[in-house]
Amino acid sequence: AQKVTQAQTEISVVEKEDVTLDCVYETRDTTYYLFWYKQPPSGELVFLIRRNSFDEQNEISGRYSWNFQKSTSSFNFTITASQVVDSAVYFCALSAATSGGSYIPTFGRGTSLIVHP
Amino acid sequence: SQTIHQWPATLVQPVGSPLSLECTVEGTSNPNLYWYRQAAGRGLQLLFYSIGIDQISSEVPQNLSASRPQDRQFILSSKKLLLSDSGFYLCAWSAGVRYDYGYTFGSGTRLTVV
Repeated sequence: AQKVTQAQTEISVVEKEDVTLDCVYETRDTTYYLFWYKQPPSGELVFLIRRNSFDEQNEISGRYSWNFQKSTSSFNFTITASQVVDSAVYFCALSAATSGGSYIPTFGRGTSLIVHP
Repeated sequence: SQTIHQWPATLVQPVGSPLSLECTVEGTSNPNLYWYRQAAGRGLQLLFYSIGIDQISSEVPQNLSASRPQDRQFILSSKKLLLSDSGFYLCAWSAGVRYDYGYTFGSGTRLTVV
């Protein structure tokens, strides 16, 4: 069975602080995908990043960076110099192929990030 | 480009009334389709998924059902709503079977059962 744990329920920071959102996953599959999604107050989930299990390269996109470590089953997300617009709920997700070959994602419970001006 | 449409945006329904939420995808064929519910605790609960027009799988036993009358249309229904059905319902689609390219979500339906 797949499991995604986002232990941080809520994080509160002041603008310009760096913040790291933790994600720990469990799966027995050797091929799997990891994702991060952002859910602003409007409710729609916005895709941020996708990483497959064979690609452990870290990635940086502007103020966002992701650290994928298979050894610790973690896929952490760091926002550098946070801004008020970063305030949202962030979800980590894991997917692996079912017996039928399709992928079904399992989402963590989300981390609510509040950035104060 | 592909787009996903979900409606209505908000809905207030009395207990015991029926429900029909619709989701359509444009710009692609044979998408994988999903219905999620997000309750007050924020977690995303997978309700149904469909990898083909005749294939719908249920993840959680409940009084909800899903149908896929057309390739790019996914409908979530209930014959009699319960108070516990209140929540934020999200439709999503993805492409591919051999690889997972990610999920695109609709804008959601906020359902309040009164």
